[in-house]
Amino acid sequence: GQQVMQIPQYQHVQEGEDFTTYCNSSTTLSNIQWYKQRPGGHPVFLIQLVKSGEVKKQKRLTFQFGEAKKNSSLHITATQTTDVGTYFCAGNNNDMRFGAGTRLTVKP
Amino acid sequence: DAGVIQSPRHEVTEMGQEVTLRCKPISGHDYLFWYRQTMMRGLELLIYFNNNVPIDDSGMPEDRFSAKMPNASFSTLKIQPSEPRDSAVYFCASRSTGNTEAFFGQGTRLTVV
Repeated sequence: GQQVMQIPQYQHVQEGEDFTTYCNSSTTLSNIQWYKQRPGGHPVFLIQLVKSGEVKKQKRLTFQFGEAKKNSSLHITATQTTDVGTYFCAGNNNDMRFGAGTRLTVKP
Repeated sequence: DAGVIQSPRHEVTEMGQEVTLRCKPISGHDYLFWYRQTMMRGLELLIYFNNNVPIDDSGMPEDRFSAKMPNASFSTLKIQPSEPRDSAVYFCASRSTGNTEAFFGQGTRLTVV
């Protein structure tokens, strides 16, 4: 099934710094979803991107879908300790296969 | 709706024992997914169902794992016999056709000793 690759695997930042995670696919995606999993919790849906070049914002979070619809990014501006967790992307599909995730830790 | 309900929340069992994990999807959702999460392998898709029919079980590690969905409101994941390497958090998720947002249960933390 469809597999998406995520980088980096881990990211440790100082509170207030920015953070970006990337999701890449070898094939064109019809859409992409992003999820967040807090430590000890379960994945929770954040957003879905559908259109080529689409950009969506949720407060300090900015999501982008590449022009070729093969990659996506999640950028967090001025991280806070509440942003701690693992961020996953999932490509298109009925089968909901997730990337490996990027684990974000934030030092106060 | 109470969301996706999984039971038990925690399970500790001895190697060789049978383990059954349970999931109740959100009412009206026609897709159900079983995932296994470990530090080493991340969030792996084991199997998913559409309208109670298994569509893709290519992620099921081996014959010791089996999953069933006898009706729209219930699914089980069974491991027989269990092994220590099966220790992980197992998640069930559901969603409806046309809506790609999946809702996850709280997970079952399985420890095989």
